Amino acid sequence: GENVEQHPSTLSVQEGDSAVIKCTYSDSASNYFPWYKQELGKRPQLIIDIRSNVGEKKDQRIAVTLNKTAKHFSLHITETQPEDSAVYFCAAYTGTASKLTFGTGTRLQVTL
Amino acid sequence: DAGITQSPRHKVTETGTPVTLRCHQTENHRYMYWYRQDPGHGLRLIHYSYGVKDTDKGEVSDGYSVSRSKTEDFLLTLESATSSQTSVYFCAISGPQGAGNTIYFGEGSWLTVV
Repeated sequence: GENVEQHPSTLSVQEGDSAVIKCTYSDSASNYFPWYKQELGKRPQLIIDIRSNVGEKKDQRIAVTLNKTAKHFSLHITETQPEDSAVYFCAAYTGTASKLTFGTGTRLQVTL
Repeated sequence: DAGITQSPRHKVTETGTPVTLRCHQTENHRYMYWYRQDPGHGLRLIHYSYGVKDTDKGEVSDGYSVSRSKTEDFLLTLESATSSQTSVYFCAISGPQGAGNTIYFGEGSWLTVV
């Protein structure tokens, strides 16, 4: 089955700096890659997603890139703010198995 | 937020007792999922459903069973709860076009097995 690895597990940046979280996946049939943000005690919420026919997608301060050949995708957050502090999860969806597999999460802390 | 309601939201139970968690959706979506979340493991799929009475196993299905008798309800049952099943359980639903669309999560159910 699909395996998603996510790095780093923790990330601390200063306010205003950029943050990058990287994920790799194993199943070449995966075709949908969402990113979720989870605040303490809350549900995971979708922040951005990308499909396999697109190489990059941007939404204000966040962007996601996808390299299908290398089977990796990344989340980029620019001009970080304290409210960006949370746990971020990447995921890969494999249509043939109808399953979304998650990475183990990255705890992002934005310090003043 | 998607119309997903989980119940109960918090439960403490004793080892060996059966427990049922309920997920109710008002979106009429075909796909429903149960995940558990544990530190260091992220979100792991327990079972999922692709229609009424159509279910399949996820990566951590041992000790769990599910049922879906109506489109809107997806039940997760722990037949005989163990301490290793102490976790946060999230129900999720997928968009109207079926799997591969945005997946939305419920608010979670915190289960403690003592």
